[in-house]
Amino acid sequence: DSGVTQTPKHLITATGQRVTLRCSPRSGDLSVYWYQQSLDQGLQFLIHYYNGEERAKGNILERFSAQQFPDLHSELNLSSLELGDSALYFCASSGGQINTEAFFGQGTRLTVV
Amino acid sequence: AQKITQTQPGMFVQEKEAVTLDCTYDTSDPSYGLFWYKQPSSGEMIFLIYQGSYDQQNATEGRYSLNFQKARKSANLVISASQLGDSAMYFCAMREGIGKQAGTALIFGKGTTLSVSS
Repeated sequence: DSGVTQTPKHLITATGQRVTLRCSPRSGDLSVYWYQQSLDQGLQFLIHYYNGEERAKGNILERFSAQQFPDLHSELNLSSLELGDSALYFCASSGGQINTEAFFGQGTRLTVV
Repeated sequence: AQKITQTQPGMFVQEKEAVTLDCTYDTSDPSYGLFWYKQPSSGEMIFLIYQGSYDQQNATEGRYSLNFQKARKSANLVISASQLGDSAMYFCAMREGIGKQAGTALIFGKGTTLSVSS
């Protein structure tokens, strides 16, 4: 058990809909990272939050947004969903100044139909 | 340019044999870390081993060791005494700016599928 909790594990939704993925980091970790894994693009970094503030953006579409709350949990919002958004979405957390660790949640498998 | 390169799409090994999974990287940051993850068919990403750019010794964790050759910019994962349960996808990843507060995202390679047979 990595200590990072993601919900839900599976999500099936229709095109055009909006969904929210949730991530609770390991206790004490201030950083939360979101990644998307698809067959054609591999593992891609989407966005990084540190202690409630956005720190870096990767290949995140404008239809996607995220936030990190005061209790450090994070949500990734995906809107106007398209078939191509079907993927495994991971959250990872790390903490401390050295940042030698990065533990992943079990992922949310999103299927857009 | 690719920052993490894994040139072996698939590797096959027999139980109890050792196997090396290749990883080369590219960075100009002197402070970086290299990670290996295992992703079984169930999908979760399991952290295996970490090597910092300033670490003098190669990292080891049980049956996993990291063959770190800084001048060649390679960080190969060695799995000794392979087991059937080692069959999975393996990803090499790098984080630049180790030691900076807040951290930076991991950059992943495309992965290597390892198949262990009996």
